[in-house]
Amino acid sequence: AQSVAQPEDQVNVAEGNPLTVKCTYSVSGNPYLFWYVQYPNRGLQFLLKYITGDNLVKGSYGFEAEFNKSQTSFHLKKPSALVSDSALYFCAVRDPGSSNTGKLIFGQGTTLQVKP
Amino acid sequence: DGGITQSPKYLFRKEGQNVTLSCEQNLNHDAMYWYRQDPGQGLRLIYYSQIVNDFQKGDIAEGYSVSREKKESFPLTVTSAQKNPTAFYLCASSFSSGGGYNEQFFGPGTRLTVL
Repeated sequence: AQSVAQPEDQVNVAEGNPLTVKCTYSVSGNPYLFWYVQYPNRGLQFLLKYITGDNLVKGSYGFEAEFNKSQTSFHLKKPSALVSDSALYFCAVRDPGSSNTGKLIFGQGTTLQVKP
Repeated sequence: DGGITQSPKYLFRKEGQNVTLSCEQNLNHDAMYWYRQDPGQGLRLIYYSQIVNDFQKGDIAEGYSVSREKKESFPLTVTSAQKNPTAFYLCASSFSSGGGYNEQFFGPGTRLTVL
């Protein structure tokens, strides 16, 4: 079955330290991968995506993600965390069974808490 | 939240009532989507539409209905058949969904509570 896993419900980091939010996927074919962020009681905001090409993808607000095909992972990273980065982060993958519809499979989300 | 608006922000419904959630976009997007968000469960797709006058069921369509009469609008009706409708509802849109590589843009959401 196609799936996305975010193994950590919550990640805690100190401001100024690097952060990593983990995502692994299980889909057939080439994965199209996305990261979104959600602030409390708001909609999701797009951060970045991997479709093809360089394995290191740069996105909004200083975030980047590394696609690793052998480990089927797409971890979100930032070199120096800010308190304002505290939010709920979702990893998503295109459902390969619905390639013409844009249907996404979402992970359960990881809460990032950045402490001053 | 871009050019997608959802209304109302909060909605209270009595059991047995149908309610309609509004979603409008001015991004000239072809595709629109409705998701339901529950704590700890991520987002689940209710319905989606790739073109006007056409839509498809998602993973949890039972108890919901939609229409797509205009490109800009994709209202969702939560019917009395939906047994547990209390949730946060998110509408999204994207450019042509063919290929699945276009990111989706989300509205601010509607929080529905059944009293």
